[in-house]
Amino acid sequence: GQNIDQPTEMTATEGAIVQINCTYQTSGFNGLFWYQQHAGEAPTFLSYNVLDGLEEKGRFSSFLSRSKGYSYLLLKELQMKDSASYLCAVLDSNYQLIWGAGTKLIIKP
Amino acid sequence: DSGVTQTPKHLITATGQRVTLRCSPRSGDLSVYWYQQSLDQGLQFLIQYYNGEERAKGNILERFSAQQFPDLHSELNLSSLELGDSALYFCASSVERYEQYFGPGTRLTVT
Repeated sequence: GQNIDQPTEMTATEGAIVQINCTYQTSGFNGLFWYQQHAGEAPTFLSYNVLDGLEEKGRFSSFLSRSKGYSYLLLKELQMKDSASYLCAVLDSNYQLIWGAGTKLIIKP
Repeated sequence: DSGVTQTPKHLITATGQRVTLRCSPRSGDLSVYWYQQSLDQGLQFLIQYYNGEERAKGNILERFSAQQFPDLHSELNLSSLELGDSALYFCASSVERYEQYFGPGTRLTVT
């Protein structure tokens, strides 16, 4: 079966750095997406990785290791508005998006 | 604003009823996806359409159906509604194989 694992919940402090991990086992791989979702709102696209390595975009970076079936999202200089759920999703061999259950990130002052 | 529109924003109805949710994709996007998200749950993929044809099916109940019209807007029909169908229903659109852009969602409450 296809499986994506993320921690259910994480807590971090304003101004700090947090890393949200995602491991996946899917039938094929055509890319990995990270989305941010605030409570009651629509998910919004954050990043896309298809090759190994780190992609940096402002305070957010995403890393991929295809051989390990592993990705992480790194958030720096945390702000209260970063409190949200972060969803990892993998595009499989049929170009279908397989979604993780999401990681709820709580930021404390 | 993602460019994806959904109507209505809120819907309250009774058990056993039928409702229709509507979605207009971003200009140029041929793929439309429907998702269900119950309170504090993850996204559940329901169904995908590409240029009017059904492309993929997820955990969609037989009481639910969808279609995509020639102008590319899509409708999700939910019938014989049950209390457990109360959820946020999202529509997303994409250029095939790329990131999906989500509409604001329709919050369905079944009483």
